[in-house]
Amino acid sequence: KAGVTQTPRYLIKTRGQQVTLSCSPISGHRSVSWYQQTPGQGLQFLFEYFSETQRNKGNFPGRFSGRQFSNSRSEMNVSTLELGDSALYLCASSLVGQRSSYNSPLHFGNGTRLTVT
Amino acid sequence: QKEVEQDPGPLSVPEGAIVSLNCTYSNSAFQYFMWYRQYSRKGPELLMYTYSSGNKEDGRFTAQVDKSSKYISLFIRDSQPSDSATYLCAIPPGSNAGGTSYGKLTFGQGTILTVHP
Repeated sequence: KAGVTQTPRYLIKTRGQQVTLSCSPISGHRSVSWYQQTPGQGLQFLFEYFSETQRNKGNFPGRFSGRQFSNSRSEMNVSTLELGDSALYLCASSLVGQRSSYNSPLHFGNGTRLTVT
Repeated sequence: QKEVEQDPGPLSVPEGAIVSLNCTYSNSAFQYFMWYRQYSRKGPELLMYTYSSGNKEDGRFTAQVDKSSKYISLFIRDSQPSDSATYLCAIPPGSNAGGTSYGKLTFGQGTILTVHP
């Protein structure tokens, strides 16, 4: 069974540009979450989608947005990039988005490494 | 004060040593506690999870929760070089009802562990 796939693996962008990252969840998984990982702040929750609806949102500015498609694939977009947006962006999927998913943990992809210059 | 605090280390131990990794948390509503392991250039993977207080053992790994002290621990017995990774504690939102999403986790900073032969 294929794991969570994130594309691209590496990305270099310039300040002010925008970027779109893509995530394909494990087949059958309907919940997709996004996280930002930096050495200073660690892993921080960005947002979560379930059945094309945003269920939760972290404490990030409106420049960070996302969406989920009917096939559960998800994209996140960052507009007007800043140097501080340089990070590893991780996508995770789980079977369902309810409490019963306690036994269906988050499965993470290997991330997209974004560098903003 | 962060909701979840974890000493980032780094921690370096010889092969065969017992490793103790710890986190403290501030929200007494937290009920589920997870440990993730992240190898270099990979996404985090779930190691273990526990509910409420007590111990849970899985092979060489033991997870321990002390809710009275808001303290969680992960012990690794007979540590191996292959255990060298970053270990992250993670906690979903406090829940006393169904429908809580486990896509939103609060992570500790992560402890970098190196086990040398």
